[in-house]
Amino acid sequence: AQSVSQHNHHVILSEAASLELGCNYSYGGTVNLFWYVQYPGQHLQLLLKYFSGDPLVKGIKGFEAEFIKSKFSFNLRKPSVQWSDTAEYFCAVTLSGGYQKVTFGTGTKLQVIP
Amino acid sequence: DAGVIQSPRHEVTEMGQEVTLRCKPISGHDYLFWYRQTMMRGLELLIYFNNNVPIDDSGMPEDRFSAKMPNASFSTLKIQPSEPRDSAVYFCASSLRGQPQHFGDGTRLSIL
Repeated sequence: AQSVSQHNHHVILSEAASLELGCNYSYGGTVNLFWYVQYPGQHLQLLLKYFSGDPLVKGIKGFEAEFIKSKFSFNLRKPSVQWSDTAEYFCAVTLSGGYQKVTFGTGTKLQVIP
Repeated sequence: DAGVIQSPRHEVTEMGQEVTLRCKPISGHDYLFWYRQTMMRGLELLIYFNNNVPIDDSGMPEDRFSAKMPNASFSTLKIQPSEPRDSAVYFCASSLRGQPQHFGDGTRLSIL
């Protein structure tokens, strides 16, 4: 069965620190990959997505993610975080064909300290 | 584009009562998802529909939960009878095949 692992459950950083959140998935087929962000009290919003092509994907608000197929990973990065990045981040995977069941990771809570 | 619309935004009711949550997906989207989010269990997929047909309801906790999608523009999630452990935020999302999901603002449900 398809699964997504986010090993960091809670990350605390100071402003201007660099961020990397891990995401690993287990599925042998062709997948589409997503990162969503949920700000406190709000719904999930798409941060970035990977379907094919350049494995380095740039999203909104300075975030990027790199798809490494050999490692089944899709880690999220940002060179310098801001207090406003405090949120919960979810990695998600879906098949590129067939019924679109999306599997979400358990989420990583990021707290940025001013 | 009005986005995914959920109602009500908040619901507080007593244990044993029937609860109905509503969702209007984005027009043209052919997938609709219901999720439940709690501190303990995180984000859980309950059920999803494709072209109004339920595809996978394996995430529905038990028979007290039911979901319908009578047409392309409306879906309901019903809990009968409700229990305190059903308290959570329930999100509805819709998408086109292979595309990112768009989430509604959620319904914050409290069962007393």
